Amino acid sequence: GAGVSQSPSNKVTEKGKDVELRCDPISGHTALYWYRQSLGQGLEFLIYFQGNSAPDKSGLPSDRFSAERTGGSVSTLTIQRTQQEDSAVYLCASSFETRLREQFFGPGTRLTVL
Amino acid sequence: DAKTTQPNSMESNEEEPVHLPCNHSTISGTDYIHWYRQLPSQGPEYVIHGLTSNVNNRMASLAIAEDRKSSTLILHRATLRDAAVYYCTYDFGNEKLTFGTGTRLTIIP
Repeated sequence: GAGVSQSPSNKVTEKGKDVELRCDPISGHTALYWYRQSLGQGLEFLIYFQGNSAPDKSGLPSDRFSAERTGGSVSTLTIQRTQQEDSAVYLCASSFETRLREQFFGPGTRLTVL
Repeated sequence: DAKTTQPNSMESNEEEPVHLPCNHSTISGTDYIHWYRQLPSQGPEYVIHGLTSNVNNRMASLAIAEDRKSSTLILHRATLRDAAVYYCTYDFGNEKLTFGTGTRLTIIP
């Protein structure tokens, strides 16, 4: 079956522009996560969605970052007024349930802010 | 945040066992230990997880210390395809996994 997909795979943008990153989780997975991986760094948790519950936004680095999940499936991560420090690989993961269930990661979107 | 300590890098010869250590001294009694790995230019993939008892699956084994403050991921017979960054983490009682910089494993043919 299809895994987690993300688009675009690469995004180059200019400082100050807004970007939208998309994640299509595995069908039937109720939990969806966004992470950020800067060059040479580990993964940094950003936001977590579980079913219809309010998302856990505790990892978002600033109010320029937001995310939504429509219909309990596709998710979009939006970064407004991008800065050079936003350059990173943005990874999405989904899992069937939470906590004890393995997270399946997408290939990521490499964002470069010039 | 859940904090773990792993060596930055390790090397192993092909077809030999590999033991990847992880310290998680601040883990609580109900936190599960998770291991993921990340192959070059790919997203992380799940390897194994456990609570107290040692665990085995088709990919690896997980040995958990009796005090649970450390664990070891065991690859029984390393292949070139096992070259990756291996992350140890625990769920800190919630769904947010925090990944450190992991151990970069190099397999020598």
